Amino acid sequence: KQEVTQIPAALSVPEGENLVLNCSFTDSAIYNLQWFRQDPGKGLTSLLLIQSSQREQTSGRLNASLDKSSGRSTLYIAASQPGDSATYLCAVREGNKLVFGAGTILRVKS
Amino acid sequence: NAGVTQTPKFQVLKTGQSMTLQCAQDMNHEYMSWYRQDPGMGLRLIHYSVGAGITDQGEVPNGYNVSRSTTEDFPLRLLSAAPSQTSVYFCASSYGPPKGSGANVLTFGAGSRLTVL
Repeated sequence: KQEVTQIPAALSVPEGENLVLNCSFTDSAIYNLQWFRQDPGKGLTSLLLIQSSQREQTSGRLNASLDKSSGRSTLYIAASQPGDSATYLCAVREGNKLVFGAGTILRVKS
Repeated sequence: NAGVTQTPKFQVLKTGQSMTLQCAQDMNHEYMSWYRQDPGMGLRLIHYSVGAGITDQGEVPNGYNVSRSTTEDFPLRLLSAAPSQTSVYFCASSYGPPKGSGANVLTFGAGSRLTVL
């Protein structure tokens, strides 16, 4: 059974810092991995998708990497801003469903 | 284009009561799913559907029923509410199974917060 773990559970940084969020999964036979953002009281918004054959994807200040062999993905956020404050979740595809991690709560202080 | 609409946004039930959480999408999505989100546990899949008339169980289906009589609607029924079902429920949909690319990126509703006393 696929299990997805995210570390740290919470992170507080000053504005402008570069930061890394971690995601690990137990079964390396994944189809793809996605990173989502969730704002308080809202649903999830897809940020980045990495196919199993890819090593990284970039969107603006966000860069996600994937190392299937070690069962790890990282989300790198450059020059963090207060507007980046949210919960970040990673999820791997297993058949017709997604398996989610518990998320990292990020707070960027101005 | 309303996207994915969930009702109600908030609900309080007593143990043993039944209720239905509604989910509707206007994007002609074939794939629809229900997740519950609990603190420290992320989102867990309850039930999903790959098209009208087809449903399947997810990770935590016990205590919940679903049906998919139309493409647009995917209601989630709690048969006899228990305190363990206190959670935030999310409905999500996509054109096909959540492959994550293009049209198969999941669109989430805003959530329904349920408290069972």
